[in-house]
Amino acid sequence: EPEVTQTPSHQVTQMGQEVILRCVPISNHLYFYWYRQILGQKVEFLVSFYNNEISEKSEIFDDQFSVERPDGSNFTLKIRSTKLEDSAMYFCASRFGINEKLFFGSGTQLSVL
Amino acid sequence: AQSVTQPDIHITVSEGASLELRCNYSYGATPYLFWYVQSPGQGLQLLLKYFSGDTLVQGIKGFEAEFKRSQSSFNLRKPSVHWSDAAEYFCAVGAQAAGNKLTFGGGTRVLVKP
Repeated sequence: EPEVTQTPSHQVTQMGQEVILRCVPISNHLYFYWYRQILGQKVEFLVSFYNNEISEKSEIFDDQFSVERPDGSNFTLKIRSTKLEDSAMYFCASRFGINEKLFFGSGTQLSVL
Repeated sequence: AQSVTQPDIHITVSEGASLELRCNYSYGATPYLFWYVQSPGQGLQLLLKYFSGDTLVQGIKGFEAEFKRSQSSFNLRKPSVHWSDAAEYFCAVGAQAAGNKLTFGGGTRVLVKP
């Protein structure tokens, strides 16, 4: 089965630093998402991306967050100035069409110290 | 706003016994419903989904779920649990909208006793 790939699997950063989380969605997919899961809490929607623009974002996704699909294969999430509360597992997901199966990556565990 | 409740945080079952995980949702229209499983260190794997039609849906790994509109429920079942089914299970509701985001429940962690 095709896979969504996320790198790195773990990232440790200092508060205030910028981080970029990388994802390679499945190659023919058109819809891309980021979700996160703070330890012990629900998986939360952050943002969806289609046709090179954000289609929906949550309240969590403030000005410190941005997404990009720089080269047609990668899909990145940038956090400009990390806070302690940004520590979470971040999941990338993609799908071919609106009602198609959503594939999740195995996540990047971000720890902000 | 859509929401999902999974009342059971932990469930322990014996291998070979049946399993039922509860899920209740709140959504203003006909929901799209999903069950995902997360094994340690892994991503979220789709077990099954309901969009329309037959309210009893079959999924992978021997799981099934039944959509009951009158109870706003989408409970997951498996007749005979295997040790490899130990994992965390998430119910989610989605919307047919441009973003098509999923709202997840808090998850149920399943432990399987030998």
